Amino acid sequence: AQSVSQHNHHVILSEAASLELGCNYSYGGTVNLFWYVQYPGQHLQLLLKYFSGDPLVKGIKGFEAEFIKSKFSFNLRKPSVQWSDTAEYFCAVNADAGNMLTFGGGTRLMVKP
Amino acid sequence: KAGVTQTPRYLIKTRGQQVTLSCSPISGHRSVSWYQQTPGQGLQFLFEYFSETQRNKGNFPGRFSGRQFSNSRSEMNVSTLELGDSALYLCASSPTGTVGYTFGSGTRLTVV
Repeated sequence: AQSVSQHNHHVILSEAASLELGCNYSYGGTVNLFWYVQYPGQHLQLLLKYFSGDPLVKGIKGFEAEFIKSKFSFNLRKPSVQWSDTAEYFCAVNADAGNMLTFGGGTRLMVKP
Repeated sequence: KAGVTQTPRYLIKTRGQQVTLSCSPISGHRSVSWYQQTPGQGLQFLFEYFSETQRNKGNFPGRFSGRQFSNSRSEMNVSTLELGDSALYLCASSPTGTVGYTFGSGTRLTVV
């Protein structure tokens, strides 16, 4: 069975700082990869997804992620964070084009104004 | 277009009772999944339905069950509630289940 690890549980940044959140998965087969965000009091929203092709994917709100197959990683990045990016971020994996998502434990990001 | 709608938003139940949660997917979406979110265990997959058939089930006891209707609406049921069932239950829909899911706002269940 697949598993997903997000090593940073809490991250605190100042506005305009750069962001990188780590995500590693364990699965030897084909994977689809996702980053979801959950703003305080709101539902999970899809930030970006990777199915195939260019390993650098761009999502909404200036976020991007890079799939590195050899490292089983799918790290999320943003060059300059804003206070409004304060939220919890979840990495998720869907294995072998299946129909269930396996989520990482989440990373709580706080951006100080 | 309307998103994934879950009802009710909040529920308080007593141990031993049963509860039914409802989910209306985005129009045209035939795959509906359910997840449990708790502070300790995070987001865990419960089950997935496609065209009224359960295609996948997570590692939860048999007290957790679900079904999907012909209009793709789905319900999940938890019988003999335990305190540990207190959680946010999320429903997500997808056209087919393999291209990413859109999540609803969830039903927050508190068992007392």
